[in-house]
Amino acid sequence: EDQVTQSPEALRLQEGESSSLNCSYTVSGLRGLFWYRQDPGKGPEFLFTLYSAGEEKEKERLKATLTKKESFLHITAPKPEDSATYLCAVQNNAGNMLTFGGGTRLMVKP
Amino acid sequence: ETGVTQTPRHLVMGMTNKKSLKCEQHLGHNAMYWYKQSAKKPLELMFVYNFKEQTENNSVPSRFSPECPNSSHLFLHLHTLQPEDSALYLCASSQATGTQYFGPGTRLTVL
Repeated sequence: EDQVTQSPEALRLQEGESSSLNCSYTVSGLRGLFWYRQDPGKGPEFLFTLYSAGEEKEKERLKATLTKKESFLHITAPKPEDSATYLCAVQNNAGNMLTFGGGTRLMVKP
Repeated sequence: ETGVTQTPRHLVMGMTNKKSLKCEQHLGHNAMYWYKQSAKKPLELMFVYNFKEQTENNSVPSRFSPECPNSSHLFLHLHTLQPEDSALYLCASSQATGTQYFGPGTRLTVL
């Protein structure tokens, strides 16, 4: 059974204080690892897909990395508008199901 | 935001009511999904449709009945729900096994 664990559950940062969110996973043949951002009361917004260990992707202040056991979402010099819940999910080779972690709620104070 | 739409955005219903949630995707995808998001719990996959055929039913109670008349539309018919079914119901679509794109969700409250 695929499993995803995200840590920490909540993270408070000052504006400009860089940090990383962790996503640990076990999967029977990784097809892809996905990062989403979710604002309160809204649907998840797609950020990145990573397919193999060593891969990195960047978008503005966010950078996602992948190893065989975990993924990190690095946030550089965050701004208050980066406050949201960040979700990690894995997809195995068997089909198109996603297994989600519990998310990390990020709060960035000005 | 407009790639996947859901209606209604909010729904309050009694346990004896029958209602339906609607999802429409404008991305030309061939797979559609229903997810349930409850407080303090991870997103849970409920149903998967590929090319209008249901390929996954993740042990969902029969009071939830999905319908996929074509690749662009997905419905979730609700009847005799329980208060614990109150949650955010999310629709998503993808091209085959590619990235899933989500709608804004329907916030359901069962009284």
